[in-house]
Amino acid sequence: GNSVTQMEGPVTLSEEAFLTINCTYTATGYPSLFWYVQYPGEGLQLLLKATKADDKGSNKGFEATYRKETTSFHLEKGSVQVSDSAVYFCALSDTSGTYKYIFGTGTRLKVLA
Amino acid sequence: DAGVIQSPRHEVTEMGQEVTLRCKPISGHDYLFWYRQTMMRGLELLIYFNNNVPIDDSGMPEDRFSAKMPNASFSTLKIQPSEPRDSAVYFCASRQETTNTGELFFGEGSRLTVL
Repeated sequence: GNSVTQMEGPVTLSEEAFLTINCTYTATGYPSLFWYVQYPGEGLQLLLKATKADDKGSNKGFEATYRKETTSFHLEKGSVQVSDSAVYFCALSDTSGTYKYIFGTGTRLKVLA
Repeated sequence: DAGVIQSPRHEVTEMGQEVTLRCKPISGHDYLFWYRQTMMRGLELLIYFNNNVPIDDSGMPEDRFSAKMPNASFSTLKIQPSEPRDSAVYFCASRQETTNTGELFFGEGSRLTVL
């Protein structure tokens, strides 16, 4: 079945450091891929998405490229801020027509001033 | 739009009591999902509805859990009787019927503590 694997956290960085959070997936067909972010005490919200191979999603300085050949969708940001501290979830849309989303386990990011 | 609205935000109850969590999806959204989030298991899909009809409840952990969607603007998740291991944050999310590129919108969650 479809699945998402993302790197274990927590990830602790200093402000202005470069961020990479790895995400790989297993899926039949052509899923859409997503990154969601969860700030403390809040629900998940969409950060960015990509709907087909080689698409790059971007938002708020974050980027991720849909790589079909490596089945990956790694999240990157060139210079993190304290306000980026949150939990990041990689997700894919199920390709069997169920409209379900499959989420990774989440990676906690802590950015220190 | 007000977004997905959940209530209560926090619930503390004793083991054996009935718990009812409520959700109002975004108007016009055809799909509604209930998720449970814990440190141990992460985010788990419990059940989802399409046009008020339950489509897949395979994630519902036990018969103690039940969910209903009597109309397009309201859904409930009930736990009866509750147990300490049910302690978690429960999220409701909704989306419009579309291809799988559509965004899922989450509520702020209901944090349940069962003593």
